Amino acid sequence: ETGVTQTPRHLVMGMTNKKSLKCEQHLGHNAMYWYKQSAKKPLELMFVYNFKEQTENNSVPSRFSPECPNSSHLFLHLHTLQPEDSALYLCASSQREAMNTEAFFGQGTRLTVV
Amino acid sequence: LAKTTQPISMDSYEGQEVNITCSHNNIATNDYITWYQQFPSQGPRFIIQGYKTKVTNEVASLFIPADRKSSTLSLPRVSLSDTAVYYCLVGGVPSSASKIIFGSGTRLSIRP
Repeated sequence: ETGVTQTPRHLVMGMTNKKSLKCEQHLGHNAMYWYKQSAKKPLELMFVYNFKEQTENNSVPSRFSPECPNSSHLFLHLHTLQPEDSALYLCASSQREAMNTEAFFGQGTRLTVV
Repeated sequence: LAKTTQPISMDSYEGQEVNITCSHNNIATNDYITWYQQFPSQGPRFIIQGYKTKVTNEVASLFIPADRKSSTLSLPRVSLSDTAVYYCLVGGVPSSASKIIFGSGTRLSIRP
């Protein structure tokens, strides 16, 4: 238990569906992150929020839409995805947005697009 | 952002000490060195962090030479459960180059 909870753990969706991934942290952290990890590949940073403000969009396609309503919650809204978007999506949080802070990761959502 | 280089994979046996070295030749003065461990289908987990010399915790030791251009993660007496991918990250205070970015990591396989 890392203090970062992601739901759902598994998701299968069609290319025309709309779904959302949820991340919640109870650590009092101010920075939250979305990462994508495709099979046997490194983690790719997608989005960063610092004090609810988006500070990074790593050239992510618009079919992925993040939302951070408060410092404890982070969502990733998905629509019209492609099969190549199938991956493990990981949420993380840290006290602040900096490389020298410890990041805590959730268990991830395994997404399959059919 | 300091670039890191690690071996792609390593093999060892239970009970052995494993040392994974990471090169970071362009490390900046304010940069820290952080190591994470990732098991399959799970998020990475922080192992250890250091700035210089040696850091030790209940899981591992981190050795950093005086020039800080490399670092070595040392795992004492590994077990099968230490089979995982280990990532070396280098970065410092908040800036446009301080995103928590992961490289390819080192895939460590432990055999009985």
